[in-house]
Amino acid sequence: DIQMTQSPSSLSASVGDRVTITCRSSQSISGYLNWYQHKPGKAPKLLIYATSDLQSGVPSRFSGSGSGTDFTLTISSLQPEDFATYYCQQSYSAPRTFGPGTKVDIK
Amino acid sequence: QVQLQESGPGLVKPSETLSLTCTVSGASVTSYYWSWVRQPAGKGLEWIGRIYHSGSTSYNPSLNPSLKSRVTVSVDTSKNQFSLKVISVTAADTAVYYCARDTPTYGFFDSWGQGTLVTVSS
Repeated sequence: DIQMTQSPSSLSASVGDRVTITCRSSQSISGYLNWYQHKPGKAPKLLIYATSDLQSGVPSRFSGSGSGTDFTLTISSLQPEDFATYYCQQSYSAPRTFGPGTKVDIK
Repeated sequence: QVQLQESGPGLVKPSETLSLTCTVSGASVTSYYWSWVRQPAGKGLEWIGRIYHSGSTSYNPSLNPSLKSRVTVSVDTSKNQFSLKVISVTAADTAVYYCARDTPTYGFFDSWGQGTLVTVSS
């Protein structure tokens, strides 16, 4: 299986901050990397698919980049509703696997 | 807008069967693939398996203990639902279970249920 790691595991930030989360895969996954936002008790929400494509309805302050084994999710200006846990997921090969998550909370 | 809702018992005894149903609205289960994902307490998300309306299934062979041999995903197109069954459950199967719409082209999950906690305990 392809192993996914994320860093940091958690971070504290303020409204308006630029936030970057890194995801790394144990082997090259081409561009098959997706990002989700998850709030407690809520359904996870797809933010970005195929490394950098913004899911319909997702604010443009979210962006993704990367290739090969290294990927990033960037929130250009953190908003109050963005405090959540973020997961990356590879869809290059079966079984699909997720990163352990990055929790973003309020400084 | 696609909506998914999990339903089923929140408490299952060890060695018994976990059964969950996902009711889909705003989309037909005859399109796309449909998956189950779980999250044990304090752990990450684990993809369990998926089904296509034809009945074709695939499961995660890497989940322990031997989840692949204990799990069945099925679909009921007449009710626009799909289901998960896990037999011979143990405490290791305690988790929040999510159903999700699965897009095979890029392999992402673009709609999810809110999740349901299933606890395995006597």
